[in-house]
Order: sequence, then structure tokens, then C-alpha cells
Amino acid sequence: DIQMTQSPSSLSASVGDRVTITCRASQGISNSLAWYQQKPGKAPKLLLYAASRLESGVPSRFSGSGSGTDYTLTISSLQPEDFATYYCQQYYSTLWTFGQGTKVEIK
Amino acid sequence: QVTLKESGPVLVKPTETLTLTCTVSGFSLSNARMGVSWIRQPPGKALEWLAHIFSNDEKSYSTSLKSRLTISKDTSKSQVVLTMTNMDPVDTATYYCARTGGIAAADPAFDIWGQGTMVTVSS
Repeated sequence: DIQMTQSPSSLSASVGDRVTITCRASQGISNSLAWYQQKPGKAPKLLLYAASRLESGVPSRFSGSGSGTDYTLTISSLQPEDFATYYCQQYYSTLWTFGQGTKVEIK
Repeated sequence: QVTLKESGPVLVKPTETLTLTCTVSGFSLSNARMGVSWIRQPPGKALEWLAHIFSNDEKSYSTSLKSRLTISKDTSKSQVVLTMTNMDPVDTATYYCARTGGIAAADPAFDIWGQGTMVTVSS
């Protein structure tokens, strides 16, 4: 199975900060990567797919990049509603796997 | 409007079999692009993919849980069913169903999720 490793596992940031989360796959996944946001008690929400394509309705402050095994999620200017846990997920293999999550907390 | 809704027992005993149902609306399980996965999340922990059923009825299972899982669908009822045998307290989690195929066939990310159902395993 493809292992997904996110870093950091948590971070503290202030409103307006630029935040970057990294996801590394155990093998190349050809941009077959999605990012999700999850708030407490809620189901995850799809933010980006194909590594860099924004899901409909998602604010443009969210962006994704990367290739091969290494990918990043960037929030250009953190907003109060962005404090949540973020997960990467590969779909290169139909044994889907998630990263362990990155919790973004208020500094 | 596309929705998925999970249903099943709130509490199961160790060694019992769990049966969960995902009822979908707003799309057809027979649509060539559509698939449904089950994903779980133990309290305070990360998401774990469990199983997927494709529109052509092919199935895929988590390597670590394959021996305990069975996924099936009833297209006429718009339902996807997951059974998990030999339940253990470590299986206590919120169980979600989620759809693929709503974006593009080449991008089977989970675009729509159910609200989740919490299952506790305890005697």
C-alpha cells in the first residue's frame, strides 16, 4: 500500500498568516492527490484534487502544488474559519490512503 | 442535491458482526463513473479507508482489514452495505460513506461525504 506522510502534525498560526502543509507519498502518485478539511464533529470536505485543482466553491486562498512523491497545501492568508484538521489522500492506487492529518490551531 | 446517509447500530458487542448501510440520493449507483467508499475515524485519530465498490460492482478492500470486510450494493434501493466481522473495541469509530466519480473518472477523490455514524464496540 502507498503510505502518506504529512508534516507537521500540528501547527499554530495567526489570522492572515501563510500556512504550508506537506504530504509525502511512499512512491510516485502522478498528481493523484486530494486535500480535505475537517472541522470537529463534521465530515471531511474536499478542497483540492489532482494535486492543484480547486473544488468548486473552495476559496482561492487554498492552493496545491507538487509532483512525484511530494505535495503541498498552501493557505495564502489564514482566515478564522480555516482552523481545522487537513488530510491528504492518494488515489493513484485503488487502495486509497490518507495522511495522518495536520491540525491548524490558533496562535 | 447529492446526499449520502449512513445508518446502522450505535453499539455492538465484541465478536459481533457490524452491518452499515449508506443510502444515496441525487445520483445513481449504476452511473458508470460513480463509486462509493467506506471510511472510518476512531475518536481523535486519522481517517482510514476501508472499502470501495465501483459502478461495475468490482470491489476493493483495505489490505489490513480485507478478511473482515464485505461491501455490496443494491442499485434499486440506492444503498451500499458494509459488513465487518469479529468487531473489537479498537473498531470504535465514526464510519463515513463517500462518493467518487463526481469530479471525473480520472480523479476518484471523495467529493461528497455522508454525515457519519458513530459505532461503539463494548460489552
